[in-house]
Amino acid sequence: DIQMTQSPSSVSASVGDRVTLTCRASQDVTTSLAWYQHKPGKAPKLLIYGAFRLQSGVPSRFSASGSGTDFTLTISSLQPEDFATYYCQQASSFPLTFGGGTKVEIK
Amino acid sequence: EVLLVESGGGLVQPGGSLRLSCAASGFTFKSFEMNWVRQAPGKGLEWVSWISNSGYSKFYADSVKGRFTISRDNAKNSLFLQMNSLRAEDTAVYFCAGLYSGNYPRFDSWGRGTLVTVSS
Repeated sequence: DIQMTQSPSSVSASVGDRVTLTCRASQDVTTSLAWYQHKPGKAPKLLIYGAFRLQSGVPSRFSASGSGTDFTLTISSLQPEDFATYYCQQASSFPLTFGGGTKVEIK
Repeated sequence: EVLLVESGGGLVQPGGSLRLSCAASGFTFKSFEMNWVRQAPGKGLEWVSWISNSGYSKFYADSVKGRFTISRDNAKNSLFLQMNSLRAEDTAVYFCAGLYSGNYPRFDSWGRGTLVTVSS
């Protein structure tokens, strides 16, 4: 099974800050990597697919990069609605696996 | 508008059974691979099971293999999860999720989830 490791597990930041989250896969997943935003009581929301492709409707302050085993998600200027937990997920092989999540909290 | 609505959650005793349903609308359900994903209290997202668009192929997480069965009814735009021999560690919010399986697979549609609590 491919293990996904996210860091940090939580980050405190202020509105307007630039935030970078990382995700590491235990094996090469090429670019079969997606990022999701999840808020309590809501459905998770797809942000990024194919490692760096922005889902339609997602603000351009979100960007991502990486391939193989190392990936990053960057929020260029944190907005109040961005405080949430972010998950990476590999779709290279079954079982599909998620990282443990990074919680972005208000400083 | 794509809509996935889960139902069937509730309180069940250890060893018991429960059947979850997911009603889909706003897209061509029979064309999409579907999944169940869960989130235990205070924990992250965990993929549970996948079913092909035809329903003939299925995959399960090791944690539920042999106890859970995924199925679908394309005529009724519905996805199901039959959960047997439930354990306390199965307590979670269960999400129905559609998987776009083209060049860059991703869960591009999600429901809001239904809570399953396994407790005596």
